[in-house]
Amino acid sequence: DAKTTQPPSMDCAEGRAANLPCNHSTISGNEYVYWYRQIHSQGPQYIIHGLKNNETNEMASLIITEDRKSSTLILPHATLRDTAVYYCIVRVAYAGNMLTFGGGTRLMVKP
Amino acid sequence: NAGVTQTPKFQVLKTGQSMTLQCAQDMNHEYMSWYRQDPGMGLRLIHYSVGAGITDQGEVPNGYNVSRSTTEDFPLRLLSAAPSQTSVYFCASSYSGTSGSYEQYFGPGTRLTVT
Repeated sequence: DAKTTQPPSMDCAEGRAANLPCNHSTISGNEYVYWYRQIHSQGPQYIIHGLKNNETNEMASLIITEDRKSSTLILPHATLRDTAVYYCIVRVAYAGNMLTFGGGTRLMVKP
Repeated sequence: NAGVTQTPKFQVLKTGQSMTLQCAQDMNHEYMSWYRQDPGMGLRLIHYSVGAGITDQGEVPNGYNVSRSTTEDFPLRLLSAAPSQTSVYFCASSYSGTSGSYEQYFGPGTRLTVT
């Protein structure tokens, strides 16, 4: 799996968009970008994933650069409950492929 | 569906004791895995299973055994507990679904302290 680089921490004001960057310059053509988050020592939660097109679901949007070497997770209207550690993971997509977690970004949403 | 359940939620062991952490899922998922998370760190894969009767080692398998006799259950056994195994243990499951996400579903974790 390709290695990812994320800032260790970020702050965001409640109600504003949170933009979490991730660098994955060694990503290969069959690797997807996944985002998970972990709220206060709970089990990690899947957010979104993508290959090369931008993706959006009810939780977030994922923007992947054209060269696929970096991506940004966007939480459009952050709430206090979005305070969590966010993990960007690059991997080949099949169900038996387990996850490799890095340090993630600790997002603090402030009132 | 209850999803992925883990028992116990908390456990304190003395060095040298053995115990089994239980994990069950009711989603008929083929794939299950065990991770550990040390304070301030990301999760690390211990063992995983791609189906009943099939298991394999992850990144940090030493000191742990697993078995998968049914699709639903994937217990993790600590053979002889050591203080270095103090951690939070997460079980997860996934499947070859139609959405293409292959997302993993995690349990709530077991917090283990070895003294």
